[in-house]
This record gives sequence, structure tokens and C-alpha cells, in this order.
Amino acid sequence: QLQLQESGPGLLKPSETLSLTCTFSGDSFSNSDYWWGWIRQPPGKGLEWIGSMYYSGRIYSSPSLQSRLTISLDTSKNQFSLKLSSVTAADTARYYCAGGLRLGEFSSWGQGTLVTVSS
Amino acid sequence: QSVLTQPPSVSAAPGQKVTISCSGSGSNIGTYFVSWYQQLPGTAPKLLIYDDNKRASGIPDRFSGSKSGTSGTLGISGLQTGDEADYYCATWDSSLSAGVFGGGTKLTVL
Repeated sequence: QLQLQESGPGLLKPSETLSLTCTFSGDSFSNSDYWWGWIRQPPGKGLEWIGSMYYSGRIYSSPSLQSRLTISLDTSKNQFSLKLSSVTAADTARYYCAGGLRLGEFSSWGQGTLVTVSS
Repeated sequence: QSVLTQPPSVSAAPGQKVTISCSGSGSNIGTYFVSWYQQLPGTAPKLLIYDDNKRASGIPDRFSGSKSGTSGTLGISGLQTGDEADYYCATWDSSLSAGVFGGGTKLTVL
């Protein structure tokens, strides 16, 4: 069973950079088997895929966010990170990290962390 | 506007069966596997179905998935009040090179 936990600041001002880290752990899993992803959910709205990364370094990012988005993976620390620059109120959401064995499919999720962008 | 189209809401009585549709196109559902997620109020999404029709670990056989062409369907039989949740479909889209989710369907068990 894979466990994931997001961490990062809960409140940001417009134009700042959002930095989140996902720490994953579990028995009998191999870093090389998983795709790692970030998904967000604005209050009262649906899920939005942000980006995914494989241990090999292959990255896919949402076309609407890729100009502001940096995703990285540190397998030695079992951590997966997101940086989103120039945030606005529209980036206010609960951010989830997730892992899965297939691109675009997420079998394990973190509990999510709420990020609010407000001046 | 989501790439995958789901009905905003469905409802049925306890014990009945309900289906939730997920309509896409050739660049997503028509090519890639569909997965389904359940999100109970105030919790993170949970994988129910992967690879179109395979139940995730621990998911009861009341939940089923199917796909035909560019549409996927989630079926829930023997409805329980505890099934009240939002349900999302997801897949990969080759035109966007991106993961895509449906807009979500709220299930009410009357």
C-alpha cells in the first residue's frame, strides 16, 4: 500500500510561487514502477489534472499551466514536487499528489492540501 | 468545459442500480483505458475502476465498469446511502498529451 502526504504553505499572495512537496512511502513498492501526478480541485468544483512524471524523468504538464509549472522527482528522498509561479486567485484549490502504475491513472492519493491565494 | 462529459447528477433509490456515463473522443477514451474515482464528501478521491473494467483492490463487485467506442460507463448496483458521492472518470488524451477528468457526477441515493 502506497501512502502519500502533501506539504506546503496554505496561504499565498498573488504573483508568488507555490511550492508543494509530496512524500511517498509504503511496503514493497518500487519507484521505477510509478507515475507520479499532481491534481487540484478548486472549492466546490471538479478535479483538474496538473501534471505527471515518471522516474525516468519523463514529464507531462497541463497545457494551460505548463508555462508556470515545474515538476520534479527525487527518488532518493521519495519526494515529488510542484512549483507554480505567478499564482492568482484562480489557483486557489486543494492540491493532491497521487501515484499510479499507468500514465493518467491514480491508484493512491494523498489527503490533499488546501492552498489559498489572497492579498 | 471538460474534455470528458459526464451527467452532473444521477439519483436512484436504495437497492437499485445506477449508471454514470463518460463521453469522450477518439484521442482519449477511444484509445486509452478509462478509470473511475469516488470522492466522498470531504475526502480525497479513491480509485474504483481501472483499465476500463477492473475493480481496484477492496472494491466490492457492486461496482462495475465498461467501455464502448468513445464512451465509458460506471455501474453501481445494490445502492447504499454510503454510495452518495461525486464520481469522476479519467483517461489520457493524446491530442493534448495530458491527463483528463470528466466534470464529475453527483450521486444521490434517495
